[in-house]
Amino acid sequence: AQKVTQAQTEISVVEKEDVTLDCVYETRDTTYYLFWYKQPPSGELVFLIRRNSFDEQNEISGRYSWNFQKSTSSFNFTITASQVVDSAVYFCALSEVANAGKSTFGDGTTLTVKP
Amino acid sequence: SAVISQKPSRDICQRGTSLTIQCQVDSQVTMMFWYRQQPGQSLTLIATANQGSEATYESGFVIDKFPISRPNLTFSTLTVSNMSPEDSSIYLCSAPKHQFTNEAFFGQGTRLTVV
Repeated sequence: AQKVTQAQTEISVVEKEDVTLDCVYETRDTTYYLFWYKQPPSGELVFLIRRNSFDEQNEISGRYSWNFQKSTSSFNFTITASQVVDSAVYFCALSEVANAGKSTFGDGTTLTVKP
Repeated sequence: SAVISQKPSRDICQRGTSLTIQCQVDSQVTMMFWYRQQPGQSLTLIATANQGSEATYESGFVIDKFPISRPNLTFSTLTVSNMSPEDSSIYLCSAPKHQFTNEAFFGQGTRLTVV
């Protein structure tokens, strides 16, 4: 069975601070995909990044960066120089290759960025 | 890339009634997925809707409570039957962006309140 753990329930930072959201996953599959989504107060899910299990290269996109470490089954997400607009719930998710779109979600981390 | 339209965006319903949520995708997809997000919680998969066959339900969800229709490759409905306050949640549909990447699009969600 697949499992995604986001140990941090809530994080509060002051604007311009860097913040890292942790994600640890469990799966028996050798091939899988990992995702991060952002859910602002409006409720829609915004896709941020997808990583497949064969690609451990870290990625940077603007103020966002992701660190995928297969050895520790972790896929952490860092926001650099946080902004108030980053305040949202962030979900890490895991998906089997064979079932495109079917994902197991972590419990989410609520990030509050204070001005 | 698929775009998903979901409606209604929100509703307030009386207990004992039923609500049907519609999900329209702007391109043909083999599978569609229905998720529930209870207040303050993560997303939980309800069922997978395949065109031309019965939906596949996850543990804890049954067809009598959450009947699903999938009349064609671009449309699906989820009905929440005989509602109780415990059914108050956000319901989201999703569909894979591409068959082999597992990246999923999500609808805007339906925020349901049962009184």
